Amino acid sequence: GQQLNQSPQSMFIQEGEDVSMNCTSSSIFNTWLWYKQDPGEGPVLLIALYKAGELTSNGRLTAQFGITRKDSFLNISASIPSDVGIYFCAGPLIQGAQKLVFGQGTRLTINP
Amino acid sequence: EAQVTQNPRYLITVTGKKLTVTCSQNMNHEYMSWYRQDPGLGLRQIYYSMNVEVTDKGDVPEGYKVSRKEKRNFPLILESPSPNQTSLYFCASRQRADFGPGTRLTVL
Repeated sequence: GQQLNQSPQSMFIQEGEDVSMNCTSSSIFNTWLWYKQDPGEGPVLLIALYKAGELTSNGRLTAQFGITRKDSFLNISASIPSDVGIYFCAGPLIQGAQKLVFGQGTRLTINP
Repeated sequence: EAQVTQNPRYLITVTGKKLTVTCSQNMNHEYMSWYRQDPGLGLRQIYYSMNVEVTDKGDVPEGYKVSRKEKRNFPLILESPSPNQTSLYFCASRQRADFGPGTRLTVL
């Protein structure tokens, strides 16, 4: 069943604002993945994290692998209209690393 | 162009009528998987395949079948679809998941 909890479930912000979202689990993960899904499309991998404490950037996006290995964070700086979409965290279960579990998603809406 | 393709993109069918959603990848990935996406539930894995002739259940396998006879193809089969299988389905290749464009299925 679902093992990742994302927060918040939705965000309504003004263009130019910074965005923060997080993903938590009751289980330890060795890898954290962040995806973005545009309307009508499949999710696309944004950032992959492999080490506790790791901080990785991809343009205006920054993601962090929590030191407890039970959480991860995604920040978007200076949001623009094309940031609209659903952001998912995901990770492979340690037991059964072939299975990838996803959070419920954070839906981001931007007012121009 | 490296890609995952799915067909059809949209399908409306009736309860009990067998259907197959095809998935193909041209990246020579060994790992392929199927997910369904439902509002508020995110993406849930249905089945995955580590290689040809090697498949295993994900979190929500009930009512679905898969086969992996060749590396590039991983079809999803609904032998007797029911309305609770109305969903958006994604095929993906590679364990870090390169997703296809999705298939929106409605079962009446």
